[in-house]
Amino acid sequence: EVQLLESGGGLIQPGGSLRLSCAASGFTFSNYAMSWVRQAPGKGLEWVSSINGGGGNTYYADSVKGRFTISRDNSKNTLYLQMNSLRAEDTAVYYCAKRTVTRYFDYWGQGTLVTVSS
Amino acid sequence: QSALTQPASVSGSPGQSITISCTGTSSDVGGYNYVSWYQQHPGKAPKLMIYEVSNRPSGVSNRFSGSKSGNTASLTISGLQAEDEADYYCSSFTSSTTLVFGTGTKVTVL
Repeated sequence: EVQLLESGGGLIQPGGSLRLSCAASGFTFSNYAMSWVRQAPGKGLEWVSSINGGGGNTYYADSVKGRFTISRDNSKNTLYLQMNSLRAEDTAVYYCAKRTVTRYFDYWGQGTLVTVSS
Repeated sequence: QSALTQPASVSGSPGQSITISCTGTSSDVGGYNYVSWYQQHPGKAPKLMIYEVSNRPSGVSNRFSGSKSGNTASLTISGLQAEDEADYYCSSFTSSTTLVFGTGTKVTVL
């Protein structure tokens, strides 16, 4: 059974940094691209970032480019999102999702809430 | 990358059919058969309902179907049931090698 478990969310002040983690199990982690998708309170889904199976190719939404860094440790079956220079508009539930070759998300974690506020 | 356009809300009575549209451009929906649909109940993670325009994952009811014409994709729910009341989002791959979601549609079962 595929499981994705996010952690690392919390309350952080504007300008601060936070690192999210997503522990994966139930599939061969290194064979699949992974992504982060976020959802601001009461708003829709927003794709944030993706990384290929080997970790050598990364992609970002314009809204986070230069501030967020996606990475993975295939030896630990874990996906990360390093978030720097956080802004109030980054407040959201952050989901990690397993991505297929044809760019859809077949499994999602339960999400972790990030609140950026002073 | 602008969000794909969906109607804010769609409603129907039990047993009826409804269709949700998802309009993009030739750089996303119209350019690739990489359109997917997700169902999200309040407080829950999204769930994949349709992938590659019209394919249903194992376990998803055959009451859900997808199609595409030009720059617009559609999700049809037939035989509407109370459990179908949720938010629905489309998603597409883009020519910028990014992904974009739709604005979301709230489905209400009357």
